[in-house]
Amino acid sequence: GQQLNQSPQSMFIQEGEDVSMNCTSSSIFNTWLWYKQDPGEGPVLLIALYKAGELTSNGRLTAQFGITRKDSFLNISASIPSDVGIYFCAGLPVNNAGNMLTFGGGTRLMVKP
Amino acid sequence: ETGVTQTPRHLVMGMTNKKSLKCEQHLGHNAMYWYKQSAKKPLELMFVYSLEERVENNSVPSRFSPECPNSSHLFLHLHTLQPEDSALYLCASSLYPPDLNYGYTFGSGTRLTVV
Repeated sequence: GQQLNQSPQSMFIQEGEDVSMNCTSSSIFNTWLWYKQDPGEGPVLLIALYKAGELTSNGRLTAQFGITRKDSFLNISASIPSDVGIYFCAGLPVNNAGNMLTFGGGTRLMVKP
Repeated sequence: ETGVTQTPRHLVMGMTNKKSLKCEQHLGHNAMYWYKQSAKKPLELMFVYSLEERVENNSVPSRFSPECPNSSHLFLHLHTLQPEDSALYLCASSLYPPDLNYGYTFGSGTRLTVV
């Protein structure tokens, strides 16, 4: 199936620092979604992106739909301890007859108070 | 409450046991999914049901048997599992085709340990 390469795989940062993570693919995507999974819970949708170049914010989170439609970025500003978790990108590829989301491998974020 | 409820939250079972995982949603969705999440591995799609018909079966071993009796309920029947089947099993639901404003809604998962 389609592959989404998400990086970095993990990050250990100091509280207050900004965070950046990204997802890339060799295929073109129609939609990019970013999810967060808190420890012991299921993923929850954070941000959805629908157009190339689109920049969308949700509080301290900002995500962008890459202009080539093959990548997406998520930034977290001024991190706090509750930002800890696994962040997943997901996308809907063009020509996806099954309309099934493809998920990245996740970025595990750890925040040191 | 996420809208998708999974029970039990934790399950420990022996390799000869038979157990079932349950997933329930009342979001009006008509597609439901089982994912397996192992440590340090990506989410693995196992099964997809759309309008109560199985539309995806990703080469999952026959010791995992899904059942979707109606659009609100999804089960995963387990028998003669192996220790490597220990993982977090996530259920998700969505409209089909997915409403891209919302993607999939996930449950909190069942943490399965096979001993």
